[in-house]
Amino acid sequence: AQSVTQPDIHITVSEGASLELRCNYSYGATPYLFWYVQSPGQGLQLLLKYFSGDTLVQGIKGFEAEFKRSQSSFNLRKPSVHWSDAAEYFCAVGESGNLIFGKGTKLSVKP
Amino acid sequence: DGGITQSPKYLFRKEGQNVTLSCEQNLNHDAMYWYRQDPGQGLRLIYYSQIVNDFQKGDIAEGYSVSREKKESFPLTVTSAQKNPTAFYLCASSMDRYEQYFGPGTRLTVT
Repeated sequence: AQSVTQPDIHITVSEGASLELRCNYSYGATPYLFWYVQSPGQGLQLLLKYFSGDTLVQGIKGFEAEFKRSQSSFNLRKPSVHWSDAAEYFCAVGESGNLIFGKGTKLSVKP
Repeated sequence: DGGITQSPKYLFRKEGQNVTLSCEQNLNHDAMYWYRQDPGQGLRLIYYSQIVNDFQKGDIAEGYSVSREKKESFPLTVTSAQKNPTAFYLCASSMDRYEQYFGPGTRLTVT
């Protein structure tokens, strides 16, 4: 079975600093990969997705992610973090028609 | 506006009572899903349905039941057999099996 690992449970960055959230997956073939964001007490919002093609994908809110097959990674990046980016971020991989989610990384933003 | 609605946002029940959580979507999506979210656990799949009148168990279906009588609706019943029902419940829908869109969630507290 596939698995998704988000190594960082909690990350704190300063407003305006760059951000990288890590995601590693285990899967033999080219996976379907997703990043979602969740504000406290809310549902999940899709930030971006990778199915095939260009390994650098752009998403909403200025986020991007890069698929690296050799490292089995799909890390999420943002060049300059805003206070409103404080939330929990989930990486997910598609398997057999369903999504397998990582346990999430909580992002705090310092003023 | 198209979207997914879940009601109520907060739900309180006494132990031993069954409770039904509502999920409605007007996105014309074929597939619908129910997830349970606990702190630090990510999302775990309870049930999913790819088509009306058909549904499958997910990873943690014990103590839960669902129905899919209409394309737009996928209610989840938390039965008294569920040993630890207090959690945040998320409903999602998708057209293409992987790209899922989420509702705002229902927080269930059982005492």
